[in-house]
Amino acid sequence: NAGVTQTPKFRVLKTGQSMTLLCAQDMNHEYMYWYRQDPGMGLRLIHYSVGEGTTAKGEVPDGYNVSRLKKQNFLLGLESAAPSQTSVYFCASSYGQQALDGYTFGSGTRLTVV
Amino acid sequence: GQNIDQPTEMTATEGAIVQINCTYQTSGFNGLFWYQQHAGEAPTFLSYNVLDGLEEKGRFSSFLSRSKGYSYLLLKELQMKDSASYLCAAPNYGQNFVFGPGTRLSVLP
Repeated sequence: NAGVTQTPKFRVLKTGQSMTLLCAQDMNHEYMYWYRQDPGMGLRLIHYSVGEGTTAKGEVPDGYNVSRLKKQNFLLGLESAAPSQTSVYFCASSYGQQALDGYTFGSGTRLTVV
Repeated sequence: GQNIDQPTEMTATEGAIVQINCTYQTSGFNGLFWYQQHAGEAPTFLSYNVLDGLEEKGRFSSFLSRSKGYSYLLLKELQMKDSASYLCAAPNYGQNFVFGPGTRLSVLP
């Protein structure tokens, strides 16, 4: 089925460990996004990409890095995890920023940092 | 940046009509989205309003007033499966969209 696939779905990290979250889409979308969702705060944009080889900072980029080496993949890295990064992470993609059919979201990654 | 306000929680009865409001800052406006998110799941797209007025999609309708920075989502003939969070998203000065905190709707039998 076409859509956005995120891996892993769940992960527990110790403080200071690193990890990479993978997002893959098969809809040929140019734009890809990483959001985090915390209770009472809605979805907050971490980083985004407007095409292969490009990345840009969103609202809450500190402590995260991203890469978009291939159009279909958008990776989110945590170099040294902190408890404040415990959250649910969603990847999304769209044809453009003002896409009439909105963003397509992945199923999310639940990350706990202890 | 963009500041979006939505009620935190709402409760309604099966078969009833409910209106969920969303207010936002109007600078650099290029449309407003509504998404539905069931607990533990990803948000799914409901509607996108670019022009003022009401747009209807089956049991769901969305209204926009750009001059007032105001939108609402109207859900008719409520069903139990409509229990979810409803997120509005507005552009941040013409750049990426900013999501509101969401309104958690509980539909009671």
